[in-house]
Amino acid sequence: DVQMTQSPSYLAASPGESVSISCKASKSISNNLAWYQEKPGKANKLLIHSGSTLQSGTPSRFSGSGSGTDFTLTIRSLESEDFAVYYCQQYNEYPPTFGAGTKLELK
Amino acid sequence: EVQLQESGPGLVKPSQSLSLTCSVTGYSITSNYWGWIRKFPGNKMEWMGYISYSGSTSYNPSLKSRISITRDTSKNQFFLQLNSVTTEDTATYYCARFLGIVGYWGQGVMVTVSS
Repeated sequence: DVQMTQSPSYLAASPGESVSISCKASKSISNNLAWYQEKPGKANKLLIHSGSTLQSGTPSRFSGSGSGTDFTLTIRSLESEDFAVYYCQQYNEYPPTFGAGTKLELK
Repeated sequence: EVQLQESGPGLVKPSQSLSLTCSVTGYSITSNYWGWIRKFPGNKMEWMGYISYSGSTSYNPSLKSRISITRDTSKNQFFLQLNSVTTEDTATYYCARFLGIVGYWGQGVMVTVSS
């Protein structure tokens, strides 16, 4: 299986700041990477697919970049609703695999 | 709007079978792909398998001998059965609309395997 290494596992930031989360694949996955947001009591939300394509409804302060093995999720000008857990997931190879998550907390 | 809701027992004894239901509203399960994902304590997530619009299935090889996904199109529901569970199957189980990318998730149901 393709191993997805996500870092950091924990991130503390303040509203208005920008943060980046890294996701590295154990082999090339082209741009077949998605990012999800997890919040308590809510269904997980698809934010970005194809490495950098924003899902409909995803605010423009979110962006994704990368291809091959290295990917980044960036959130500019953090808002209070952005404090959550974020996961990456590759869908280039079967079975799909996920990163271990990054918890973004309020500093 | 597509909504998915998991249901089933929260506690299962070791060696028994885990059975969950996913009820879908806002979209027919005779279109697209529908699957199960689980998240273990510590946040590791595992894709378990899916059932397609036609009823064909695909499973994670790590589970292939223990897992079965079926459906009832008349109720717009699909089901997970995981046999011979151990404590290592303790997790939050999510149903999802899935085609590589997970477009829609249920909120998840926590299942504990314990005697």
